[in-house]
Amino acid sequence: EVQLVESGGGLVQPGRSLKLSCAASGFTFSNYYMAWVRQAPKKGLEWVATISTSGSRTYYPDSVKGRFTISRDNAKSSLYLQMNSLKSEDTATYYCARQSSPPGWFAYWGQGTLVTVSS
Amino acid sequence: EIVLTQSPTTTAASPGEKVTITCLASSSVSNMYWYQQKSGASPKLLIYSTSSLASGVPDRFSGSGSGTSYSLTINTMEAEDAATYYCQQWSSNPLTFGSGTKLEIK
Repeated sequence: EVQLVESGGGLVQPGRSLKLSCAASGFTFSNYYMAWVRQAPKKGLEWVATISTSGSRTYYPDSVKGRFTISRDNAKSSLYLQMNSLKSEDTATYYCARQSSPPGWFAYWGQGTLVTVSS
Repeated sequence: EIVLTQSPTTTAASPGEKVTITCLASSSVSNMYWYQQKSGASPKLLIYSTSSLASGVPDRFSGSGSGTSYSLTINTMEAEDAATYYCQQWSSNPLTFGSGTKLEIK
């Protein structure tokens, strides 16, 4: 059974940093693109980042480019999201998702971790 | 950026009724993906590559479309189908989602 378990969320002040983690199990992690998708309270879904199987290629929307960094450790079956210079508009539930390879759709989602950016 | 416009924004259907949700893209896309999100839960993949049913998804769900117009159809509405539905594309960067369609049971 595919499992994706996020951790690392919490309350953080504007301008500070936070690192999210996602522990994957139930599949061969190194074979799949992985991604982060977020959802602000009562809002829709927003793609945040995607990383290739080896980690050599990363993709971001303009809203987070230069502030967020996605990375992975295939030996540990883990995905990460380093978030710097956080803004109030980054407040959201962050989902870890297994993406299709080549990347397209999100086949599996974690339960999400809430990040609140507030002073 | 390709904008995906879903309609209706909100709708309600009686059990057994047919429901169609539309997703219009601001530019042509090669494929559309659909997700279901129930209240308090994570999104769940329903349809990939426009019309392929994800594993475990009841066959009352179907997807179709091409170019700039895509749709998700629930052939016979059931109470458990009450949820918000999102379309998604990655034919061009950035990957985008529609704003969602909330489906309620009458």
